[in-house]
Parts: sequence; structure tokens; C-alpha cells
Amino acid sequence: GAGVSQSPRYKVAKRGQDVALRCDPISGHVSLFWYQQALGQGPEFLTYFQNEAQLDKSGLPSDRFFAERPEGSVSTLKIQRTQQEDSAVYLCASSLFSRRETQYFGPGTRLLVL
Amino acid sequence: AQKITQTQPGMFVQEKEAVTLDCTYDTSDPSYGLFWYKQPSSGEMIFLIYQGSYDQQNATEGRYSLNFQKARKSANLVISASQLGDSAMYFCAMRELNYGGSQGNLIFGKGTKLSVKP
Repeated sequence: GAGVSQSPRYKVAKRGQDVALRCDPISGHVSLFWYQQALGQGPEFLTYFQNEAQLDKSGLPSDRFFAERPEGSVSTLKIQRTQQEDSAVYLCASSLFSRRETQYFGPGTRLLVL
Repeated sequence: AQKITQTQPGMFVQEKEAVTLDCTYDTSDPSYGLFWYKQPSSGEMIFLIYQGSYDQQNATEGRYSLNFQKARKSANLVISASQLGDSAMYFCAMRELNYGGSQGNLIFGKGTKLSVKP
């Protein structure tokens, strides 16, 4: 079956622009996660959904970051007024039920803010 | 304090030989899970192997095995018979199942870049 997909794969934005990153989880997976991976670092947790409910957003670095999953499947991570420090790879992952289970990752979106 | 430490920024191994990638962790939660992921240059994080803190035996998955030493808080990944396609970044991660201070989220180390030489 299809894995986690993300689009776009690459995004270049001018500082101050808004961007939207999309994640399609594995079909039937209840839990969805977003991570931010800076260059040369491991991924860091941003936010977690169970179905359409955002249960944990403790990792979002500022109020410019917003995520939604309105129908419990596809999710969008939105970054408003992008800053250079937002440049990173944004990874999406899903797991079948809860966050106690193995997470399967997508290929990521590489964001470069100029 | 770092919860996951990977002390080897880079490693080289000859094709067909075995290699061990180090990982130490820090937690006071008695119930936790340890994971290894592979990240090739394409960027996708590929799940390799999982070890639960209460598992009696070391986990194995094909050419991957996890050398789990609970008292030393280490969870080293062993790759046997290395292949050219094993060249990638490898990340160790932990999840504290009673949540500890991490709310049950995956915590990653900084990774080790493995290069397999022909």
C-alpha cells in the first residue's frame, strides 16, 4: 500500500511569505505527527493529531505555526510570515492508532526561506 | 541534558562487514521504547527496528539487530553484512511510555552518517 506522502517536496519562500505544507498519511492511520528537522540535526516534534483532534501542539515554535486536519486524514502545516530560521525539512509521520505505536514517515518538505 | 546521545557523527565500513552504531539514552521512566530509523539522501525516515524496555530479548530484523544493555542505558544498532545501499544517516529515538517529561513524543538523537565502502 501507499506510504505517507508530502507535497511539495521543495519550497522556496521569501521572508514574510506564508507557506502551506501538505501531508497524506497512510490510509486508515488515526495518528498523525509533524516534525521539524534542521540541517545536521534529528527531527524535533511539532504537533500531534488523533483523527481531527489536535491533542498536542507543545512543539510548535511560535504562533506563526498552525496545523490542521479537518477531516481526520490529510493534514496541512501552515507557517505565516516565514523567517529564515524556519528553513528546515518538515516531516510528517503517521501511526495506526496511538502515539505508542511505530510511526511511519513521509519524504519531507524541504523549506528554504530567503 | 540530552535524552538521546549518538557520539559518532560519521562512520565508515567496508562492504560485507558488520558495523555498530552507538546510542545511549537518559530517562527515569521505567517504561519506554527505543527505535532506529534510516534516512537516505532522499529524506524519508525509514523505520528499522524497535526495542521495548521490558523486552527480554534483543530485537532483530533481518540484518539489523539491537544490542540493548538496559543497565548501561545503551541501544546500539548492529548492521551485519553491510551493503552499499546502507549508506545513509541513522537516527536513534526514544519514546517514554509513561510520558516522563516528553509527553510520549519521539525524541531523536543527532544521527550518525554511515558510509559503506566498496
